Amino acid sequence: DAGVIQSPRHEVTEMGQEVTLRCKPISGHNSLFWYRQTMMRGLELLIYFNNNVPIDDSGMPEDRFSAKMPNASFSTLKIQPSEPRDSAVYFCASSPQEQARGYGYTFGSGTRLTVV
Amino acid sequence: QQQVKQSPQSLIVQKGGISIINCAYENTAFDYFPWYQQFPGKGPALLIAIRPDVSEKKEGRFTISFNKSAKQFSLHIMDSQPGDSATYFCAASDYNQGGKLIFGQGTELSVKP
Repeated sequence: DAGVIQSPRHEVTEMGQEVTLRCKPISGHNSLFWYRQTMMRGLELLIYFNNNVPIDDSGMPEDRFSAKMPNASFSTLKIQPSEPRDSAVYFCASSPQEQARGYGYTFGSGTRLTVV
Repeated sequence: QQQVKQSPQSLIVQKGGISIINCAYENTAFDYFPWYQQFPGKGPALLIAIRPDVSEKKEGRFTISFNKSAKQFSLHIMDSQPGDSATYFCAASDYNQGGKLIFGQGTELSVKP
């Protein structure tokens, strides 16, 4: 298995632009998680899905952030408009539903976002 | 109450020494405690995990010690090697909250040759 695949690996954009981050989870995994990593705040859970349905989006910082999971093999995290404080590494992770007790998270390699 | 507090923030150990990283939590509903290892430019990877019904789990050079009454758990790396240099995160999850992982702030470990 190729693991969790995220794209792009790096993104540099200007303030005010729309940014879309993409994630392909491991086939057969039913839970998908979006995390943000910064030096100041560490790893923060933004949102997670179970069977393509958003379960908890309480970590989404504000309305500028949105996430979708149109099918079991694809998810997006969109920031519109982007701001410099959104600069961070964004990770996607997936896990099998029967292990959704936090077991067996597999993380992607992340997208490093820089907003200038 | 959802926080997991991790210390130290950074750690320098000589090759062959023991690395010890500590975590504390408040939420007694947490029922799964994993440790993740992250190398630069990579995502965190599961290293070892423990449930609160056991006090210790060992896998190779890595051991988790768990103290339920104190609400603390720690990672011990025996015979530390330069290849162990990475950032380590403790985490905790509550099944009734969907199993989402709450991470500690991380410890940057450097093992000197």
